[in-house]
Amino acid sequence: EAQVTQNPRYLITVTGKKLTVTCSQNMNHEYMSWYRQDPGLGLRQIYYSMNVEVTDKGDVPEGYKVSRKEKRNFPLILESPSPNQTSLYFCASSPTGGAPDEQYFGPGTRLTVT
Amino acid sequence: AQSVAQPEDQVNVAEGNPLTVKCTYSVSGNPYLFWYVQYPNRGLQFLLKYITGDNLVKGSYGFEAEFNKSQTSFHLKKPSALVSDSALYFCAVNYGNMLTFGGGTRLMVKP
Repeated sequence: EAQVTQNPRYLITVTGKKLTVTCSQNMNHEYMSWYRQDPGLGLRQIYYSMNVEVTDKGDVPEGYKVSRKEKRNFPLILESPSPNQTSLYFCASSPTGGAPDEQYFGPGTRLTVT
Repeated sequence: AQSVAQPEDQVNVAEGNPLTVKCTYSVSGNPYLFWYVQYPNRGLQFLLKYITGDNLVKGSYGFEAEFNKSQTSFHLKKPSALVSDSALYFCAVNYGNMLTFGGGTRLMVKP
């Protein structure tokens, strides 16, 4: 089944404890992206990647890191999480990253930072 | 920079009635516009998109959207609402390599 998977689905952590949220897609898509969803703000793009070893900042990159060493994986790293990073996070992918492509979303990761 | 506005936080409609979820956008150049739907505890699902051509776009589950360049709008419509259409709907604009979303509109369809 074609899909985007994320792990973990739920995570509660404490301020300053480094964490990684994994994202993997099995559709051979070139483009991958991370978003955070907050009530009333919709989804905001954190980082995106057009292909292996190519990453760019989105609208809200502060406090996050990403890497794209393999085409299928795009982990999101929070080096020192803070409470304002409590949010619902989505990974997405699309075939080429060109503007007309629709994106395929993972199921989401709910992160709570205390 | 591009932006998207969804002026209604919630839309209530009775089952069987037509529904409209509003979206306006701001972008320089030609926009690529999308609607996504989010059901509870799920990721977003693609509904439809406007790239070019016919201003009326048809999508999944009987939804359609009308692109209006002069009003910079891309409203989502359905002739007859179902209770199962109740969900959170997002309008989005893709410009360059980035996707910008509106704040979302919760659609409540009552039996």
